[in-house]
Amino acid sequence: RKEVEQDPGPFNVPEGATVAFNCTYSNSASQSFFWYRQDCRKEPKLLMSVYSSGNEDGRFTAQLNRASQYISLLIRDSKLSDSATYLCVVNMYSGGGADGLTFGKGTHLIIQP
Amino acid sequence: DTAVSQTPKYLVTQMGNDKSIKCEQNLGHDTMYWYKQDSKKFLKIMFSYNNKELIINETVPNRFSPKSPDKAHLNLHINSLELGDSAVYFCASSQEGGGPEQYFGPGTRLTVT
Repeated sequence: RKEVEQDPGPFNVPEGATVAFNCTYSNSASQSFFWYRQDCRKEPKLLMSVYSSGNEDGRFTAQLNRASQYISLLIRDSKLSDSATYLCVVNMYSGGGADGLTFGKGTHLIIQP
Repeated sequence: DTAVSQTPKYLVTQMGNDKSIKCEQNLGHDTMYWYKQDSKKFLKIMFSYNNKELIINETVPNRFSPKSPDKAHLNLHINSLELGDSAVYFCASSQEGGGPEQYFGPGTRLTVT
């Protein structure tokens, strides 16, 4: 079983719609969770951390379900500029740094006008 | 000013050659990393360095060797290049004990012919 699994998509979504995708992780000892965004031929950039209580940043909402070992990302009122690949990242440790950092393969999102 | 920079951006070389990729960060971070993103877009950590000490060494061939002349630089040397080494290599940095965010360089697209 892969450590971090994501539906690769692509998800084709009309502009203004709400889109959600999930990520599952296999290691129950995982401590911290993140969503990164990667544009085509660019480097990954942190979108948001994911907290147990759930967190929101503008149009983006991230949720964590430890019991089921999945993380979700919800994007409301999607914009053309949201088109990118969204990487689910899981860390075995609670602090910063890359010890145990595992990236999913990413979910490709295409927002259509 | 670019926070994390890499050179070269593109590198095309023949099998059997030895090449280096340079990375520099001006963020004052404690830890630097090298990642490999293959044709399937899977991002995998190769090495990390903290205060000139290798703290993670994933199961990469010993043809790959990271070298850190100082805290702001982490170069990647690759000996006897093979076709399978073709990928995008990303350098990244983070602050030890700080936030979870990793700052990635723009990537070096290596093509081995």
